[in-house]
Amino acid sequence: EPEVTQTPSHQVTQMGQEVILRCVPISNHLYFYWYRQILGQKVEFLVSFYNNEISEKSEIFDDQFSVERPDGSNFTLKIRSTKLEDSAMYFCASSEWGPAAEAFFGQGTRLTVV
Amino acid sequence: KNEVEQSPQNLTAQEGEFITINCSYSVGISALHWLQQHPGGGIVSLFMLSSGKKKHGRLIATINIQEKHSSLHITASHPRDSAVYICAVSPRGQGAQKLVFGQGTRLTINP
Repeated sequence: EPEVTQTPSHQVTQMGQEVILRCVPISNHLYFYWYRQILGQKVEFLVSFYNNEISEKSEIFDDQFSVERPDGSNFTLKIRSTKLEDSAMYFCASSEWGPAAEAFFGQGTRLTVV
Repeated sequence: KNEVEQSPQNLTAQEGEFITINCSYSVGISALHWLQQHPGGGIVSLFMLSSGKKKHGRLIATINIQEKHSSLHITASHPRDSAVYICAVSPRGQGAQKLVFGQGTRLTINP
């Protein structure tokens, strides 16, 4: 069965450092998403991406965040200067034709900022 | 006020019991999703509904669009069903390019 893969599974970084979280969505999917879940809290939307551009972003997704689909298969989330409060599980998801379609999630990247 | 509310927040039951988890939402939606999150953190899609009822094995999901309410039922529950169950909606209109999540229901099934 096709799946969304995320790397790394766990990343520890120093405050102020840049991190790049990587995702390989399912190959025939057109919509890509990043969500995050702070420990003990609900999953929150960060950004959606379609047709090589951001289609929607949340208030969380400020200038410190960026997304890219550099080579037609990978989908990356970059945090330029990490803060302690960026510590969370980050989930990549993809769907075939939008958020009303079945969403397939990666296993997540646990980011710890120290 | 949260757009998606789940109840109960925690549920403990004995193996074999019939389980019901409820989800209420306050916005117009194009679809509602039931997801399962295991202790390791991974999220798996169980159902996507826009009307009526769906069944997959021992799991049944229903939705009432007029009442903005959905339920997830588990028949003959088993310890391996222990997980967090999350309701999420795809809003209609502005803000439609995302899922909005409930806080999850932590289910524990004891043998």
